[in-house]
Amino acid sequence: DTGVSQNPRHKITKRGQNVTFRCDPISEHNRLYWYRQTLGQGPEFLTYFQNEAQLEKSRLLSDRFSAERPKGSFSTLEIQRTEQGDSAMYLCASSSAGLAGGPTKNIQYFGAGTRLSVL
Amino acid sequence: LAKTTQPISMDSYEGQEVNITCSHNNIATNDYITWYQQFPSQGPRFIIQGYKTKVTNEVASLFIPADRKSSTLSLPRVSLSDTAVYYCLVGDDGSGGYQKVTFGIGTKLQVIP
Repeated sequence: DTGVSQNPRHKITKRGQNVTFRCDPISEHNRLYWYRQTLGQGPEFLTYFQNEAQLEKSRLLSDRFSAERPKGSFSTLEIQRTEQGDSAMYLCASSSAGLAGGPTKNIQYFGAGTRLSVL
Repeated sequence: LAKTTQPISMDSYEGQEVNITCSHNNIATNDYITWYQQFPSQGPRFIIQGYKTKVTNEVASLFIPADRKSSTLSLPRVSLSDTAVYYCLVGDDGSGGYQKVTFGIGTKLQVIP
């Protein structure tokens, strides 16, 4: 299967600890996104990479959050000094830039997510 | 970004056709309409995308009127496995640069036996 892969699927941590999640996008996709989703809500945008460049960050992404995509392939999302309010599903998606009017019209393909529980 | 409005929830019996309508009054000329489906504990999954008129694939149909201010996702003969949240998104094709898409809370479809 060559879909978007996220690891780990579940993470339980104690408040104050640091956690890191990994996302492996679809190999030919140059765009990568991170979202956060809490119960009963839709995914909320966190940040976006085109290749290795982080081009946009949401104000939701406080200074405790950092994301990288060092070689334009996989990406990591780190949360430092976790708080109980960080408990959520963290979703990664990828897409290709596509050509105007082409078949891939900004369609994002999502991984299964990493569910974080902060105790 | 065009704002979308869709019903919070819908119930349907198995075997019925389900139509979910999304309003997007401020849709721009370059915007496409995309629908995603999400099951619990999974990421959203692309269902269908369209620009105007009607689009059909193996999963659903998408009806878009001429003014494009709304769209209707049609799921034929739903089964229990179609119970999920359905999101309507509006955005351009991304070829001119990234455009953030915004997920609302979606429509929670409950299929009843």
